[in-house]
Amino acid sequence: SQQGEEDPQALSIQEGENATMNCSYKTSINNLQWYRQNSGRGLVHLILIRSNEREKHSGRLRVTLDTSKKSSSLLITASRAADTASYFCATDKSGTALIFGKGTTLSVSS
Amino acid sequence: NAGVTQTPKFQVLKTGQSMTLQCAQDMNHNSMYWYRQDPGMGLRLIYYSASEGTTDKGEVPNGYNVSRLNKREFSLRLESAAPSQTSVYFCASSARRDTPLHFGNGTRLTVT
Repeated sequence: SQQGEEDPQALSIQEGENATMNCSYKTSINNLQWYRQNSGRGLVHLILIRSNEREKHSGRLRVTLDTSKKSSSLLITASRAADTASYFCATDKSGTALIFGKGTTLSVSS
Repeated sequence: NAGVTQTPKFQVLKTGQSMTLQCAQDMNHNSMYWYRQDPGMGLRLIYYSASEGTTDKGEVPNGYNVSRLNKREFSLRLESAAPSQTSVYFCASSARRDTPLHFGNGTRLTVT
């Protein structure tokens, strides 16, 4: 069974708008990671947030983590056409490897 | 730097045939992983190797075997391919089990 579930499944926005994706998970975690996948390629790591952190920034990316609600969000500000991709959250818990959600497909049109 | 290299990139098998997917990393990482990706299912973990000499089952290990040949290489074997194993297979590595993963570009496998 998959640990993380992203919402929405698909998101379409215009260039310059912000994109927000959410991830919910079921059990306690050590950290939560977000990855991007461009069509036909492998996944690329974006950001890791540990269970004792609440917010993290990297360039135009902002990730929040609410362990009480078992949820995380990824905000991409001022989206560009090049941000078009699928985005996955992945949870790390003791005793196993990263478990990925099903992803959110983001389409940014110019 | 090459990072994580997977071979082959594409493969077509008939039901019942066997094959081995190869993966090698040049980042001196301790941990390596095999995932499969199917439409609408995201990535599912098949097997992983937390360190050289160890392997563990993931979410969907049935029908697969793995070998951690050395620190660099982690292979995935399908002994008797089935159409349900049609998928894109990704190999990944990480410095430690709890650090970010680096992915290869995948092997697209079709079983007819």
